[in-house]
Amino acid sequence: KNEVEQSPQNLTAQEGEFITINCSYSVGISALHWLQQHPGGGIVSLFMLSSGKKKHGRLIATINIQEKHSSLHITASHPRDSAVYICAVRLKWGGGADGLTFGKGTHLIIQP
Amino acid sequence: DARVTQTPRDKVTEMGQEVTMRCQPILGHNTVFWYRQTMMQGLELLAYFRNRAPLDDSGMPKDRFSAEMPDATLATLKIQPSEPRDSAVYFCASGSSMTSGGTDTQYFGPGTRLTVL
Repeated sequence: KNEVEQSPQNLTAQEGEFITINCSYSVGISALHWLQQHPGGGIVSLFMLSSGKKKHGRLIATINIQEKHSSLHITASHPRDSAVYICAVRLKWGGGADGLTFGKGTHLIIQP
Repeated sequence: DARVTQTPRDKVTEMGQEVTMRCQPILGHNTVFWYRQTMMQGLELLAYFRNRAPLDDSGMPKDRFSAEMPDATLATLKIQPSEPRDSAVYFCASGSSMTSGGTDTQYFGPGTRLTVL
C-alpha cells in the first residue's frame, strides 16, 4: 500500500466546474505539498500545508491532520488548469527526513 | 526570476556508459533534492543535501549512482554504468531550511530526460 493515495486518478470536467482532488496519507507528517505538473513536464509547487487552509487565486487547499487527509479545490475551472496535480508529504521532522514522498498524481482535463 | 537549472535537458546514451547530470540550485538555497520520475513509479526521492552535506541517499541504487555537491552552486548525479531501467526524468529541486526544521517550498528544475538504450 502506498503511503500517499490520491483520488481520482483521472478527472475530466467542463470549464467552470468546481474541482476537488483528494489525498490521504498513512504516516505521520510535518507538511503536505500540492504540486502541479504541466503537460510540458515542469513541476510547480502550489501549496505547502501543515494545518488548516490556504488560498491562492482560484485554488484552495485544506488539510485535516487528525484524519490524515487533504483536498485541493479549483473554483471556476479553466482549460489552462489542465495538468497533473500531485500530493506529496514530508515525513515528521525529527529523524531528519526532509525529502518528499509522492502520490501517483491526478490527471485533470478541463474541456472548453 | 530565480530558477533551478539542470543540464543536459535530454540525454540519450547506450547501456554501460557513464551519465552525469548537473543542477544549479537557486542562489541562497541550502537544501538540494534529486528526484526521479517514471511512468511506473511516479516521483521518487533519490537523495538530498543540506549545506552541501548528504543527509539521505537511501533512495539511490548505491552500486551505480552517486550524488555530490562540489560547491554551493552545483549538485551532480552520476550513473555508472547506466542501464535501460535508469531511463526516467531526473528532477533537481532546491529550497531553504532552518537547522531545526524542514525545507519549506521546493523549487523544481526543468528535469533531465534520460534514455538508456
